Amino acid sequence: DVKVTQSSRYLVKRTGEKVFLECVQDMDHENMFWYRQDPGLGLRLIYFSYDVKMKEKGDIPEGYSVSREKKERFSLILESASTNQTSMYLCASRLQGVSYGYTFGSGTRLTVV
Amino acid sequence: GEDVEQSLFLSVREGDSSVINCTYTDSSSTYLYWYKQEPGAGLQLLTYIFSNMDMKQDQRLTVLLNKKDKHLSLRIADTQTGDSAIYFCAETGANFGNEKLTFGTGTRLTIIP
Repeated sequence: DVKVTQSSRYLVKRTGEKVFLECVQDMDHENMFWYRQDPGLGLRLIYFSYDVKMKEKGDIPEGYSVSREKKERFSLILESASTNQTSMYLCASRLQGVSYGYTFGSGTRLTVV
Repeated sequence: GEDVEQSLFLSVREGDSSVINCTYTDSSSTYLYWYKQEPGAGLQLLTYIFSNMDMKQDQRLTVLLNKKDKHLSLRIADTQTGDSAIYFCAETGANFGNEKLTFGTGTRLTIIP
């Protein structure tokens, strides 16, 4: 069974901390994505990557960066966490090609205090 | 940019049919998707439809696409308590490289016993 694994289900961090959210997929997918999910706003794309060492900004990249050193791993970095980054973060991956849809991880609920 | 809209809430009696609606603005959409999110979980792909189709059926699920009106619907027959979830509509454009999905806000389906 294919899997996208996010390293933490719940995280609590302090304002100003540097935060790393990790995502690993075992499907040899080229494309990986980070979304945040907020009530009433749906899913908003933060960053995505088409392949190793490649990254593209999504719709709301401010305050975030990403790293993709290996094909299976896509990390989301909050350089200096702020309370407005409290959210559910969802990682997804997809095999190249539009028909396949995404496979999502279970999500990381991040609270910044 | 692309926009996808859904109602936020829907309540349905157990055993009735649920119809979840979605409108989108991108006329170049090639694939449209329905995802289900159960509490505390990531998103699970339910079904997708290619833009040259107007209907797709899969067991209790029926997807209808009106491309002229840019309207997509998901009908769940004989709704059960296990269908309680948030349902997201999503679309992707036609251009190679434009493979990111744009999601709606999600519709929370509540089943009334």
